[in-house]
Amino acid sequence: EIVLTQSPATLSLSPGERATLSCRASQSVSSYLAWYQQKPGQAPRLLIYDASNRATGIPARFSGSGSGTDFTLTISSLEPEDFAVYYCQQRSNWPPAFGQGTRLEIK
Amino acid sequence: EVQLVESGGGLVQPGGSLRLSCAASGFTFSSYWMHWVRQAPGKGLVWVSRINSDGSSTSYADSVKGRFTISRDNAKNTLYLQMNSLRAEDTAVYYCARDGNLQDVDAFDIWGQGTMVTVSS
Repeated sequence: EIVLTQSPATLSLSPGERATLSCRASQSVSSYLAWYQQKPGQAPRLLIYDASNRATGIPARFSGSGSGTDFTLTISSLEPEDFAVYYCQQRSNWPPAFGQGTRLEIK
Repeated sequence: EVQLVESGGGLVQPGGSLRLSCAASGFTFSSYWMHWVRQAPGKGLVWVSRINSDGSSTSYADSVKGRFTISRDNAKNTLYLQMNSLRAEDTAVYYCARDGNLQDVDAFDIWGQGTMVTVSS
């Protein structure tokens, strides 16, 4: 079973700054990695699939990169609505595991 | 509008049973694989179960295997999760989610709002 480790656990930044979130897999997942955003009391929302493809309606400030075992979600310039928890998920092997999440909070 | 709406959550005693439902609308439900994902209070997302488009194939997380059963009624556009022998550690918000693989989106592209299940005496 593939384990995903996200870092940092918490990231404190200000609006307008650049955010870089990391997800590392215990073995290669090729490019089968997705990123989700979850705000308090809401369901997760798909941001990125296949490591670098933005889902429908996702702003261009969100971008994903990486392959194999190391992946990055970048938010180029933080908007107030971007402060949330972010999860990565691998779709390479069964079961489709999630990382433990990175909380992006306002500094 | 593409939508998933869960129902059926509530308070149940340890050892009890509950059936969750997920009503789909705005898309051809019968064409998509579907999943259940849960989230314990203050914790992360955990995949629970999956069913293929015609219901002929299912899979489960080890933690629920033998206790939970996923099913679907494509005529009613509804996904189900039958939960038996419930334990305190099953307490969570349960989300249904659509698998986007039909559109080459290797991810869960649509999520319901979730339904809370609390297992407590």
